[in-house]
Amino acid sequence: TQLLEQSPQFLSIQEGENLTVYCNSSSVFSSLQWYRQEPGEGPVLLVTVVTGGEVKKLKRLTFQFGDARKDSSLHITAAQPGDTGLYLCAGAQGGSEKLVFGKGTKLTVNP
Amino acid sequence: NAGVTQTPKFQVLKTGQSMTLQCAQDMNHEYMSWYRQDPGMGLRLIHYSVGAGITDQGEVPNGYNVSRSTTEDFPLRLLSAAPSQTSVYFCASSYTGKHTEAFFGQGTRLTVV
Repeated sequence: TQLLEQSPQFLSIQEGENLTVYCNSSSVFSSLQWYRQEPGEGPVLLVTVVTGGEVKKLKRLTFQFGDARKDSSLHITAAQPGDTGLYLCAGAQGGSEKLVFGKGTKLTVNP
Repeated sequence: NAGVTQTPKFQVLKTGQSMTLQCAQDMNHEYMSWYRQDPGMGLRLIHYSVGAGITDQGEVPNGYNVSRSTTEDFPLRLLSAAPSQTSVYFCASSYTGKHTEAFFGQGTRLTVV
């Protein structure tokens, strides 16, 4: 059973379009993180959300943590080819440093 | 600015061979972990360590051993390689405590034939 479900698994869009990626769970997390991974590289942290209902913005990326701290979303406005990559959500439970990862959303932004 | 360094980057093993994947970090992080990444499976935790001398199993520990003799190094040993261990392996490190950022190495692509 996958603790964190990400959707969609694949997403191919044109430059300039908007998109939303979802990360859902039936479990409560003390925090959720979003990472971006490019081919041949390790994941790199984009953001950490901690408080239920929290919204964080990183340029054209908007991250939201659900009120119940069970889900999160990533919205990209006016996607660019440089946004292409694998987006992973990861959650920590309780006081543990252990991260549980979703399977990822592979985003392709076509010029 | 080395961060987390993994070696080798690529490796081909024959079934039954053993090898050690190296991981070193220079950020004085207490927490280190090993993941494997398979297509469609995301990152799955193999073993982790909260400090020198302390290790514990993750989600998929079978066939792998780890040790943590120093803060900096966290090698992963494959005892007798199997084709099912073909994967990309990532080492990560972070400070202990909540909400800390995990820093990843560049990965080791392992093929077992």
